[in-house]
Amino acid sequence: NAGVTQTPKFQVLKTGQSMTLQCAQDMNHNSMYWYRQDPGMGLRLIYYSASEGTTDKGEVPNGYNVSRLNKREFSLRLESAAPSQTSVYFCASTGTALNEQYFGPGTRLTVT
Amino acid sequence: QKEVEQNSGPLSVPEGAIASLNCTYSDRGSQSFFWYRQYSGKSPELIMFIYSNGDKEDGRFTAQLNKASQYVSLLIRDSQPSDSATYLCAVKTGRRALTFGSGTRLQVQP
Repeated sequence: NAGVTQTPKFQVLKTGQSMTLQCAQDMNHNSMYWYRQDPGMGLRLIYYSASEGTTDKGEVPNGYNVSRLNKREFSLRLESAAPSQTSVYFCASTGTALNEQYFGPGTRLTVT
Repeated sequence: QKEVEQNSGPLSVPEGAIASLNCTYSDRGSQSFFWYRQYSGKSPELIMFIYSNGDKEDGRFTAQLNKASQYVSLLIRDSQPSDSATYLCAVKTGRRALTFGSGTRLQVQP
């Protein structure tokens, strides 16, 4: 039982490049989330998926797209990376009984 | 006004003392509350959750909730240097995703 996994762990992009961050969970959770964390800003919700086949915007969705590929996997895509997207990205999933969230290890993204 | 507010700290306490971390929230309809610990460079880790007014204890940790005052706190007894981390308060309201505060950095001095 690996919990929530994310790939890659680190990535450096040039402005304008695209990439997809991958997330998977093996806890049979319905809801999955993408956050970004910047110094002094806490965790800000980018997109979430309450269940397979649905996605919704969070607090800071501009510049991102998501895909809920199946119940296990939820990917985040940057179509044209900008330096403002330099951040640490966390994926999370939610247990249905208590609404507690479990986080992946994070992806540290730098856009130059 | 931020939905979930925490003092950024750092809160510095000596080893063995009680650390008290506070969080206020703005939505009276919020129904569940979570405390996460985040070590530098790591992901947030759930340590406590509370739903009802009053205290909930788990080992050295006690979560306190006062819905009338819209206030949640986390007490860490017998603080250890290994407790040094950033503590994030999170609030769930209705069907919305969790809303996180920006965290309080705790430093436990040996």
